[in-house]
Amino acid sequence: EVRLVQSGGGLIQPGGSLRLSCVASGFTFSNSWMHWVRQTPGEGLVWVSRIDTHGGNIKYADSVKGRFTISRDNAKNTLYLQMNSLRAEDTAVYYCAKDLPGGFFDYWAQGTLVTVSS
Amino acid sequence: DIVMTQSPDSLPVSLGERATINCKSSQSILYSSDNRNYLAWYQQKPGQPPKLLIYWASTRESGVPDRFSGSGSGTDFSLTISSLQAEDVAVYYCQQSYSIPITFGQGTRLEIK
Repeated sequence: EVRLVQSGGGLIQPGGSLRLSCVASGFTFSNSWMHWVRQTPGEGLVWVSRIDTHGGNIKYADSVKGRFTISRDNAKNTLYLQMNSLRAEDTAVYYCAKDLPGGFFDYWAQGTLVTVSS
Repeated sequence: DIVMTQSPDSLPVSLGERATINCKSSQSILYSSDNRNYLAWYQQKPGQPPKLLIYWASTRESGVPDRFSGSGSGTDFSLTISSLQAEDVAVYYCQQSYSIPITFGQGTRLEIK
């Protein structure tokens, strides 16, 4: 059974940093591209970032470029999202998702709420 | 960026009736080299992550009931539920993966009439 288990969300002040983790099981993590997607009531679903199998091909949404860093540790079956210089508009539920070749998301984690507020 | 626009925003349908949700992309998402439409549909219920229903515009994900079907090509796509069941009440999203950034439609809320 494929499982994606996230951790690391919470309340953080503007300008602060937070790291999200996503531990994968039930599939060969090192063979799968992975994504981060966030969701707010106002914006809906917004793609954040993508990483290929070994971290050599990484893409970001313009809204997070230069502030967020996606990475992975294939030995630990873990995906990360390092979020720096956080802003109120980064407040969202963040999901990690497994890539189905073609850029679709066939498995999603349960989501973690990140709240940026003073 | 490719803008995905869904219609309607809200759709009341009686149980057992057909439901159709539309999705229009701001440019073609049909990739000429493989003749595939880079379009997926997701279902999201309250408190849950989205669930993949359809990809490549018309390929049903494993385990998805066959009352769900996807159609369309180029810029215009549809998700059809042939006979609405109570458990189909959810928000439905389309998504394009033709180009980065990957983008989603704004969602269509499907409800029981």
